[in-house]
Amino acid sequence: GEDVEQSLFLSVREGDSSVINCTYTDSSSTYLYWYKQEPGAGLQLLTYIFSNMDMKQDQRLTVLLNKKDKHLSLRIADTQTGDSAIYFCAERSGGYNKLIFGAGTRLAVHP
Amino acid sequence: DAGVTQSPTHLIKTRGQQVTLRCSPKSGHDTVSWYQQALGQGPQFIFQYYEEEERQRGNFPDRFSGHQFPNYSSELNVNALLLGDSALYLCASSLFGGQDFYNSPLHFGNGTRLTVT
Repeated sequence: GEDVEQSLFLSVREGDSSVINCTYTDSSSTYLYWYKQEPGAGLQLLTYIFSNMDMKQDQRLTVLLNKKDKHLSLRIADTQTGDSAIYFCAERSGGYNKLIFGAGTRLAVHP
Repeated sequence: DAGVTQSPTHLIKTRGQQVTLRCSPKSGHDTVSWYQQALGQGPQFIFQYYEEEERQRGNFPDRFSGHQFPNYSSELNVNALLLGDSALYLCASSLFGGQDFYNSPLHFGNGTRLTVT
């Protein structure tokens, strides 16, 4: 079946790196995405990775994909207070661009 | 470049009533998807529209229906509202690639917060 799991909460100190983890079950997933949601807002696309890639770097963001273990991670370097939000992992399931989301990881950044 | 816009931003309805939510896709996009996000959860796929037809549907009852117009905008209708329908309803737009490996990431609007009392 289709399922995406994430840890619910992560607390980090400002300036440290944050690592948010995600596991998925659909081995046929083609793309995996990370979205950010701030209070009262919709979802903002952060980055994505194609399933035949191991890593993708985009400024402070690094995505690692272990396809064998169906494990995806998002690393945020030099975490800032503005990074405090809920982060959602999503897998693209089949055609038609249907996304399956995890429950989200709440990232809290403290001084 | 206008992003995805949704209206209204907030709505309060009573059980048994009907509601219509509206969405305009990002400029250049032709496909609209609707998601329901209950409090504390991730978004759940409701359905997707392309060329004015429902292309794929998630695990939602027939009380949830939609429409896409020739200008690509879309409506989500929910009949016979239940308390459990209270949620943030998100619209997302993309380009229809028609192939599994074509990537057009979903762009989301800010949602409509529906409260059913």
